[in-house]
Amino acid sequence: KQEVTQIPAALSVPEGENLVLNCSFTDSAIYNLQWFRQDPGKGLTSLLLIQSSQREQTSGRLNASLDKSSGRSTLYIAASQPGDSATYLCAAPYSGGGADGLTFGKGTHLIIQP
Amino acid sequence: GAVVSQHPSWVICKSGTSVKIECRSLDFQATTMFWYRQFPKQSLMLMATSNEGSKATYEQGVEKDKFLINHASLTLSTLTVTSAHPEDSSFYICSVTDRGSDTQYFGPGTRLTVL
Repeated sequence: KQEVTQIPAALSVPEGENLVLNCSFTDSAIYNLQWFRQDPGKGLTSLLLIQSSQREQTSGRLNASLDKSSGRSTLYIAASQPGDSATYLCAAPYSGGGADGLTFGKGTHLIIQP
Repeated sequence: GAVVSQHPSWVICKSGTSVKIECRSLDFQATTMFWYRQFPKQSLMLMATSNEGSKATYEQGVEKDKFLINHASLTLSTLTVTSAHPEDSSFYICSVTDRGSDTQYFGPGTRLTVL
């Protein structure tokens, strides 16, 4: 069974800084890995999905990398803004398959100070 | 990305009543939808996989007779919490998978409070 861990649990930084959120997973036989953003009391917004054949994906100021062999993924946020404040969740397929439900980490609660 | 809606967005009910939550895929037909719940300060936990035209698959520890799932069409799945109790109070979220990209898209969630 897949287990996902995210570090740090919380992070508070001044606006403008670049930052890295970490995610590790136990079952490396995954088809993909997905990063989400969750605002308080809201649903999830998909940020990036990395297929197992890829090493990274970029969207605007966000860059996610995937290293299956080490069971790690990172989400890099460049030039952080107060609007980036949210909880960031990493999720891997439950048992590796592309059509599976997801196993989530507990998230990194990010606060960007103006 | 895909648009997924849920209804209601929040509900408060008395203990012992049943509550139905709807999940709709607005952009494409979904043969599979997923139901998750999230307790305060916890992450999302997969409850069940909803399959169109067949029985749902429940995760270990989730009572299928308490959480009834019906996936009668390719755009609608419903979750009914039967005889709800305060410990069922949670945030229930559904998702659909875009098979073309393997991306999961989530609904806005339903906040259930059982008094």
